[in-house]
Formats: sequence, structure tokens, C-alpha cells
Amino acid sequence: DAKTTQPPSMDCAEGRAANLPCNHSTISGNEYVYWYRQIHSQGPQYIIHGLKNNETNEMASLIITEDRKSSTLILPHATLRDTAVYYCIVPSIGSSNTGKLIFGQGTTLQVKP
Amino acid sequence: ETGVTQTPRHLVMGMTNKKSLKCEQHLGHNAMYWYKQSAKKPLELMFVYSLEERVENNSVPSRFSPECPNSSHLFLHLHTLQPEDSALYLCASSQDRGGSYNSPLHFGNGTRLTVT
Repeated sequence: DAKTTQPPSMDCAEGRAANLPCNHSTISGNEYVYWYRQIHSQGPQYIIHGLKNNETNEMASLIITEDRKSSTLILPHATLRDTAVYYCIVPSIGSSNTGKLIFGQGTTLQVKP
Repeated sequence: ETGVTQTPRHLVMGMTNKKSLKCEQHLGHNAMYWYKQSAKKPLELMFVYSLEERVENNSVPSRFSPECPNSSHLFLHLHTLQPEDSALYLCASSQDRGGSYNSPLHFGNGTRLTVT
């Protein structure tokens, strides 16, 4: 996997935008950036992924820099339920071409009232 | 409802017991995974099945034995476990399309295993 670097923790005020950064300077040209989150005692939840262009869905927006060496996940209006560990992952391609997710420590986002 | 269902949610077993964890996915995916999450540690990939064939085994001890009878079901058979095997065991599924595109994984909520 391309190595990713995330800050260990961040705080965000409820109702404000949460911007979570990720560095992936060794990413290859055909590798996607994925974001997942894990709320306490639950399985990880897929949020969004992208290759080159910025992406948006009902959960979040993903901004990828032009050189693709970093990205930012944006939660536009954070709520208390968004408190979770957020993982930025660039999966490798296995011998069977089945993607393998290697999880790091992620960023613990604490949304405060 | 996540589309991936794991049973049981909690399991306590002794070191001499034999038990099995079950995972079922209702998403029509063709690849399934077992992950282990120990306290204060990142998720660790254990096994990968694609089209019901095991394609990855990350040096997992033989006391963990996976089984994938069809594309919707995945089991993890446990025997003679150690207390350090206590962890959250997570199942996931995805649609393996090959090439460089990796479809997102969908996870279940896991089985919390305690080995006494």
C-alpha cells in the first residue's frame, strides 16, 4: 500500500465543517484514495473514494491535490454522530487484483457541542 | 442494517473450546474478508476470498480456519485459542472487478470474542 499519514486527533465544533487531511506522497498513478470511518464498537463504514478529481456524495466531499500527494475529507456540517476514527487508505493491488485495505491508526475526530 | 451480518455479536470461549463465527452478505458481492481488531491496534487483514477461493492468508495461525462455502457466506472456525486472540473480528465484502479499481468494502459490525 502507498503509505498514508494522518494527524492522530482533531476537534471540531458541532455544525462547523470538519476538514481531515491525509498525505500519500508515494501514491501511484492508478491508485485510488479511500476514506472510511469507524464509530466506537461498530465496523468501519465506507465514506468516499477518488482517483484524480474531487468527489462529493451525501456524506462528504473529497478534495485531491493536483499532484495527488495529499487529500482532504470534508464533512460540511459535523454532528455529534460524526465522532469517529477516520481512515485514509490507498490500497495495493493483490495478486488476484482483489484490493486489500491496510488500516493505519487514522484520525480520531471529536465533534464537540 | 449494513448488508453484512455477523453472528454472534459477542462470544466468550475457553481455550479448549471449538466455535465458529458466521458472516453473511446480502449485497451480491464476490469477495469476502476477515479482519481482526485488537484493542488499541489497527485492523489486521487475516483472510481474503475471491470467487470462493482463498487468495490471501496473512500468516494467520492454524487455530483460525476460514471457510467460504459460497459467495454469500463466510465462516471462521476457532479452536484452541489463546487469551491474546481476544479481539473484535470483522467480516467485509466487496465486488472484485480486477484491474486497478477496488470497489469499496462493506463491513459487518463484528463479533466481540473473549478467550478465557
